[in-house]
Amino acid sequence: DIQMTQSPASLSVSVGETVTITCRASENIYSNLAWYQQKQGKSPQLLVYAATNLADGVPSRFSGSGSGTQYSLKINSLQSEDFGSYYCQHFWGTPYTFGGGTKLEIK
Amino acid sequence: EVKLEESGGGLVQPGGSMKLSCAASGFTFSDAWMDWVRQSPEKGLEWVAEIRSKANNHATYYAESVKGRFTISRDDSKSSVYLQMNSLRAEDTGIYYCTGHYYGFDYWGQGTTLTVSS
Repeated sequence: DIQMTQSPASLSVSVGETVTITCRASENIYSNLAWYQQKQGKSPQLLVYAATNLADGVPSRFSGSGSGTQYSLKINSLQSEDFGSYYCQHFWGTPYTFGGGTKLEIK
Repeated sequence: EVKLEESGGGLVQPGGSMKLSCAASGFTFSDAWMDWVRQSPEKGLEWVAEIRSKANNHATYYAESVKGRFTISRDDSKSSVYLQMNSLRAEDTGIYYCTGHYYGFDYWGQGTTLTVSS
């Protein structure tokens, strides 16, 4: 199975700052990667698919990048509604494993 | 508006069975691959099972941890997907989400909670 290692596990940031979350796959996943946002008590929501494509309705301050085994999610100019947890997930065959998550908290 | 609504969770004893249902609306269900994902504090988000569309012969796939115990199925005439869970264990406890899979897991239900405990 492909392992997804996400970092950092938590991040304390202020509104207006820029953050980058990284995800490393245990083998090449050929950009078959998605990012999700989850707010407390809610289900995850798709942010990015195929490593770089924003899902419908996702603000342009979010961007995804990467290839091979290394991927990143960048959030420019953090807004208050961006706080929550973020997860990466690969789609290079089943099982579709998730990263351990990054909890973004307000400083 | 896309909607996925899970039902069927609850409390069950170890070794017991439970069937989850998910009713979908707002998208072309028959074209979608449907998945179940669960979440627990101990394991985080964990993919459980997938059933593909009729065009993909309704092929099914399972996480190793549930293979042989869980069965995913769908009824395209009812826009519904199901998860039959047998021989339940304490480690199956969690929130179970139904998801619609196009580019990623594009659509998610609100989740239903399964607790396996005596």
